[in-house]
Amino acid sequence: EVQLVESGGGLVQPGGSLRLSCAASGFSFSDYWMTWVRQSPGKGLEWVASIKQDGSEKYYVDSVKGRFTISRDNARNSLYLQMNSLGGQDTALYYCVRELFSGAGNYYVYWGQGTLVTVSS
Amino acid sequence: EVVMTQSPATLSVSPGERVTLSCWASQSISTNLAWYQQKPGQAPRLLIFGASTRATGIPARFSGSGSGTEFTLTISSLQSEDFAVHYCQQYHKWPITFGQGTRLEIK
Repeated sequence: EVQLVESGGGLVQPGGSLRLSCAASGFSFSDYWMTWVRQSPGKGLEWVASIKQDGSEKYYVDSVKGRFTISRDNARNSLYLQMNSLGGQDTALYYCVRELFSGAGNYYVYWGQGTLVTVSS
Repeated sequence: EVVMTQSPATLSVSPGERVTLSCWASQSISTNLAWYQQKPGQAPRLLIFGASTRATGIPARFSGSGSGTEFTLTISSLQSEDFAVHYCQQYHKWPITFGQGTRLEIK
């Protein structure tokens, strides 16, 4: 059974940093693109960043470029999101998600439960 | 960036009715479109990918169509569990983008 378990969220002051983690199990982690999607309270879904199987390609939404870094450790079956210079607009539930089929396209059937990031003073 | 626009924002319908949700892309995305359903407090659930392929376990009352810039999600006979927010998402090019969602509410 595919499982994605996020951790690392919490309350952080504006300008602060957080590192989110996603522990993956139940599949061959190194075979799949992995992605972070976020959802601000009461709002819609926003794709944040994706990383290729071997980490050689990374893509970001414009609003986080230069502030967030996606990474992975295939030996540990883990996905990360380093978030710096956080602002109120980053307050959201952050989901770790996996593409359905390896390399077939970035649409997502597997979602974690999410980890909540709140940026507030 | 490919802008995804969904219409309407909210749709009031009665159980048993047939409903069609629309999604437009600001440029051609071929059939690289997915639909999701999200209920309060839950993660989104993939309904459709490739514009028209149902994901595993999705009832046949859900169907998707379209290509290029215009797409639709049709629910042939609304069940109580279908009242939720539905999102479209393009994965044709980076950055991946979602529509703002259509909420189905009980009339």
